[in-house]
Amino acid sequence: AQRVTQPEKLLSVFKGAPVELKCNYSYSGSPELFWYVQYSRQRLQLLLRHISRESIKGFTADLNKGETSFHLKKPFAQEEDSAMYYCALSPRFGNEKLTFGTGTRLTIIP
Amino acid sequence: EPEVTQTPSHQVTQMGQEVILRCVPISNHLYFYWYRQILGQKVEFLVSFYNNEISEKSEIFDDQFSVERPDGSNFTLKIRSTKLEDSAMYFCASSGGRGNTDTQYFGPGTRLTVL
Repeated sequence: AQRVTQPEKLLSVFKGAPVELKCNYSYSGSPELFWYVQYSRQRLQLLLRHISRESIKGFTADLNKGETSFHLKKPFAQEEDSAMYYCALSPRFGNEKLTFGTGTRLTIIP
Repeated sequence: EPEVTQTPSHQVTQMGQEVILRCVPISNHLYFYWYRQILGQKVEFLVSFYNNEISEKSEIFDDQFSVERPDGSNFTLKIRSTKLEDSAMYFCASSGGRGNTDTQYFGPGTRLTVL
């Protein structure tokens, strides 16, 4: 069975401070990991995925297979980063179902 | 940029009634999905659909649920006899267009309220 755990339901960070949203997963194979973001009154949208190894809006995430983690990080938080963030897992590459974590609501304090 | 659309945005129904939730996936996508999110809980996978048939379904997707792609554009989720616990936000997603992208693009959701 696959599972995604996001231990923090709520996270508040001051503008300009570093952000880290935690995500741990449980899966026996080699999954693909994603971060989706949902801004206020908008739809779920992909922020980044581990195979792309790219930085989107200043966010990065590294897959740590030893710790089964995929934490999302940004060195300097901006007010527009306030949103709901979901970590998700897919069992294989390519058009497979996503298993989501419960999400973390990030609030950036001006 | 093309987007997944869903109608209606909010559906209120009586317990035991049938509902049909509609989705228009991105036009060149080949894989379609339904997810739901009960208030305060995580987004849960219901079903995936490819090549005019269900490719995978979850335990939630029992005989009360069905999906259909009645024409070249719509993808529907039908709940035959709604229960109170079906109240949730239902999201449609699509993926697998030209360029072999497997990123799932989500619609804005339909909020279903069963009274």
